[in-house]
Amino acid sequence: DVKVTQSSRYLVKRTGEKVFLECVQDMDHENMFWYRQDPGLGLRLIYFSYDVKMKEKGDIPEGYSVSREKKERFSLILESASTNQTSMYLCASHGYESAGAQETQYFGPGTRLLVL
Amino acid sequence: AQSVAQPEDQVNVAEGNPLTVKCTYSVSGNPYLFWYVQYPNRGLQFLLKYITGDNLVKGSYGFEAEFNKSQTSFHLKKPSALVSDSALYFCAVREDGGATNKLIFGTGTLLAVQP
Repeated sequence: DVKVTQSSRYLVKRTGEKVFLECVQDMDHENMFWYRQDPGLGLRLIYFSYDVKMKEKGDIPEGYSVSREKKERFSLILESASTNQTSMYLCASHGYESAGAQETQYFGPGTRLLVL
Repeated sequence: AQSVAQPEDQVNVAEGNPLTVKCTYSVSGNPYLFWYVQYPNRGLQFLLKYITGDNLVKGSYGFEAEFNKSQTSFHLKKPSALVSDSALYFCAVREDGGATNKLIFGTGTLLAVQP
């Protein structure tokens, strides 16, 4: 029944490492999103994609890049991890979960990343 | 620019009492308004949304929200709180006609329901 999955729940990386966060959805949605969540700041949009190979910067894209080679998969890349990228990362896709369901964003369980 | 504000970092309520979690918004056009809930170490779950129509919207788990255009508010309510309602609640807004379906989220309100 899981609709949006993320590759890792917890991740520990060293400063300077390249980090890949993967997100997969099985609802055939076109729009996908990456957010980071920090206490007191809510969710902030990093990047979003409205179709395969199409992407747009969100509010805080610095230090991140994304890849959308297939409709179901949206990857977030930290080119050179830094300690200020320690955060909870949430992936979402927009659309209908199933016939008769509400049109909204559906979220994955999140990846808690610690950069040492 | 669109924005939402959740003025309370935390709301405390006793089990069985009514609860309200506040949200105000700012958009230039017609708003699409959402409430999500996040349980510990989980992603966000959709509760309800307002697009148009009745100002009182009913959602999951017995929650409802009241849209008030004159006060630009969309407060989340429940008549009788449960301990299991304790979680982080987010309000979000999307401007009508937004082609990308981007949402702007508030900073979240932690709801603590005491037994």
